Amino acid sequence: NAGVTQTPKFRILKIGQSMTLQCTQDMNHNYMYWYRQDPGMGLKLIYYSVGAGITDKGEVPNGYNVSRSTTEDFPLRLELAAPSQTSVYFCASSYRQGGSTEAFFGQGTRLTVV
Amino acid sequence: DQQVKQNSPSLSVQEGRISILNCDYTNSMFDYFLWYKKYPAEGPTFLISISSIKDKNEDGRFTVFLNKSAKHLSLHIVPSQPGDSAVYFCAASHTGTASKLTFGTGTRLQVTL
Repeated sequence: NAGVTQTPKFRILKIGQSMTLQCTQDMNHNYMYWYRQDPGMGLKLIYYSVGAGITDKGEVPNGYNVSRSTTEDFPLRLELAAPSQTSVYFCASSYRQGGSTEAFFGQGTRLTVV
Repeated sequence: DQQVKQNSPSLSVQEGRISILNCDYTNSMFDYFLWYKKYPAEGPTFLISISSIKDKNEDGRFTVFLNKSAKHLSLHIVPSQPGDSAVYFCAASHTGTASKLTFGTGTRLQVTL
């Protein structure tokens, strides 16, 4: 029972490089999210998706892009890495059950931009 | 604009005693509140939640209390165990927003022997 799987776990990028953080879930959840956590801070929402083909911006979307072509996958793209994007990134998913419900998180990707 | 606040960055409690973690919110639209527990190098794991139509929810050693008039919630852990040592995040959402969560900054709980 894998849940939410993120790859890679760690990555060092040089300024200006690009990369894609992968996220896949096997729970058939329709909602998926990307959060980032900076040291001493709570998690902040970058982008989210309510289903395949539908994405929307969260609180801190600048510098990122997402796509959702399948229910299972929700990759996060960094096009021109900047030091301000050094953070821990968490992917999460949840299912619609009437009102709000809890999200299940992956183990995170620790990204350092140098 | 911190809509969910956890004003205590850390808390130390002896094993067997009660741990009380506090959380305040400012957005009156929030109607669902959650607590997550996070160990180092792991993702947050869901602990317990409460809907705004309730004022208390209990699950084993964990109880969450909600005071809507004060916009305050708390998590009680009784009895505290060493394995409870972790960072606890309070989060909130409101219906119709795709269950997007707004998180507090976390409280690091240390349960000592």
